[in-house]
Amino acid sequence: GNSVTQMEGPVTLSEEAFLTINCTYTATGYPSLFWYVQYPGEGLQLLLKATKADDKGSNKGFEATYRKETTSFHLEKGSVQVSDSAVYFCALSGIVGALNFGKGTSLLVTP
Amino acid sequence: DTAVSQTPKYLVTQMGNDKSIKCEQNLGHDTMYWYKQDSKKFLKIMFSYNNKELIINETVPNRFSPKSPDKAHLNLHINSLELGDSAVYFCASSQDGSRDTEAFFGQGTRLTVV
Repeated sequence: GNSVTQMEGPVTLSEEAFLTINCTYTATGYPSLFWYVQYPGEGLQLLLKATKADDKGSNKGFEATYRKETTSFHLEKGSVQVSDSAVYFCALSGIVGALNFGKGTSLLVTP
Repeated sequence: DTAVSQTPKYLVTQMGNDKSIKCEQNLGHDTMYWYKQDSKKFLKIMFSYNNKELIINETVPNRFSPKSPDKAHLNLHINSLELGDSAVYFCASSQDGSRDTEAFFGQGTRLTVV
């Protein structure tokens, strides 16, 4: 079945540091891949997505590239801000768009 | 206007009680979902409805019963609540349930069973 594995946190970075959160997946067929972000006390919001191999999703300085050969979708940002502190979820879409999520990575950015 | 709204936001109740969580979306979407987020933040699909029809029913106890009176609403009723049901429950919707489509999430309902 489908599954997503992402690096466990928490990750603590200083402001302006480079961020990488690793995500790999197992899936049948050709799923779409997503990164969602959850700010404290809120629901999830889509951060970015990629729908086919070699696509790059990007938003708010975050990027991730759909790598079929390594079954990966790593999230990167060149310079994180305090406001990026949140929990980040990698996910893939299955039947009827239902999402299989990774376990989430908590990011804390300190000034 | 909130796109996906669920009520209540917090729910504290005793073991054995029956409770409901309501969800409404004003996006005109065809597909709605319930997800459960446990204490370790892990999210898992519970149910999916498409145009009021149940499409996905993951291995969820029979005590959980979703109901969709129309395609804008998907409510979750839970019978005989147990301590292990304590979690945050998220409602979500997507336009047509296709693999490419973004899901929009509600704010969550934090259920605490005591």
